[in-house]
Amino acid sequence: SQKIEQNSEALNIQEGKTATLTCNYTNYSPAYLQWYRQDPGRGPVFLLLIRENEKEKRKERLKVTFDTTLKQSLFHITASQPADSATYLCALDLRYSSASKIIFGSGTRLSIRP
Amino acid sequence: GAVVSQHPSRVICKSGTSVKIECRSLDFQATTMFWYRQFPKQSLMLMATSNEGSKATYEQGVEKDKFLINHASLTLSTLTVTSAHPEDSSFYICSATAGGNTGELFFGEGSRLTVL
Repeated sequence: SQKIEQNSEALNIQEGKTATLTCNYTNYSPAYLQWYRQDPGRGPVFLLLIRENEKEKRKERLKVTFDTTLKQSLFHITASQPADSATYLCALDLRYSSASKIIFGSGTRLSIRP
Repeated sequence: GAVVSQHPSRVICKSGTSVKIECRSLDFQATTMFWYRQFPKQSLMLMATSNEGSKATYEQGVEKDKFLINHASLTLSTLTVTSAHPEDSSFYICSATAGGNTGELFFGEGSRLTVL
């Protein structure tokens, strides 16, 4: 079965540094890979989507890479701020496969200290 | 962006009672809605995929008779937890896509269910 793993349960970064979060998956590559932010007690909020034929995607201070050979996506937050502290979830969009669903990783809890 | 409203945000009920959670897409039509369950410090676990006008598709291990899903219109899906027990206490979140089979999910704010 398809598995998705976010390597770090928690990450503690000094303000101003770049935070890098990792997402690895097994079996077949999804057509899309998505990243979400979730604050405590709230629903996730979409951040970025990257397609299988894209290597990199940027949005303001966010950057996502997608390596279908390594079966890995990296999520970067540059010039990190305390307000970036949250749990970040990666998600495999398998709706074009026989799985027909979106599955989420366990998340990485990011803390940015002033 | 598209807005998904979920109600109630918190509910406390006695063991053995049933609880209904509503999920509405406010400014778009959602042919497909997803229901997730999340335990503390864990990820979202997909429970079922709800398609308007048809029966929901449940994930393996999810009891369809216990978690009743109805998607009667393009803007409303409901999840009813029947004969709730303390182990059903969790954070339930719905999500929807705005058109087609691609793109981001728009999530509701979640419903915290506590069964006494």
